[in-house]
Amino acid sequence: EAGVTQSPTHLIKTRGQQATLRCSPISGHTSVYWYQQALGLGLQFLLWYDEGEERNRGNFPPRFSGRQFPNYSSELNVNALELEDSALYLCASSSSDYTSSYNEQFFGPGTRLTVL
Amino acid sequence: AQSVTQLDSHVSVSEGTPVLLRCNYSSSYSPSLFWYVQHPNKGLQLLLKYTSAATLVKGINGFEAEFKKSETSFHLTKPSAHMSDAAEYFCVVRGGSQGNLIFGKGTKLSVKP
Repeated sequence: EAGVTQSPTHLIKTRGQQATLRCSPISGHTSVYWYQQALGLGLQFLLWYDEGEERNRGNFPPRFSGRQFPNYSSELNVNALELEDSALYLCASSSSDYTSSYNEQFFGPGTRLTVL
Repeated sequence: AQSVTQLDSHVSVSEGTPVLLRCNYSSSYSPSLFWYVQHPNKGLQLLLKYTSAATLVKGINGFEAEFKKSETSFHLTKPSAHMSDAAEYFCVVRGGSQGNLIFGKGTKLSVKP
């Protein structure tokens, strides 16, 4: 069974540009989560999508946005890139019953975004 | 609000000796707790999860963790370290019905030959 996949592996942008990151969940999973792992800041929750709807977002500015498509894949968009947006962006997926606290999240390998 | 605190940022052990990675949690209700491992330049892999069925949880690769409510702890242990265990370990609590995971700052485990 294929795991969570993310593309691209690496992305290099300049300040002010827009970045688009993509994630495909495990087959059968309808929830997709995005996390940022920045040097010195640890792993922080960005966004959660379930059944095409945004369910929750972390403490990030509105220039971080995303969407979930009917096939449950997801896209993270970062507008007006700043140098501090340089980080590893991790996508995770889980089954749809988000009322269960024990559903584990399966992580993809991440997209390394570098902003110059 | 839920939170986790990993008490050591770096732990160094010799191969074949026990591993102890410490984690304390804070939660207003029965928490959902996890340990994840991240090898260099790799994604996160679930080691084990606490589901309230048993306080001693066994995970992959010989790791286990014990949930102690009285101490609000969820320490990760392994009887005998292997070189391949060198990685960063994260103690994680689920943010209730909000869905997201709340990560500790991580403990980097080094294993000396």
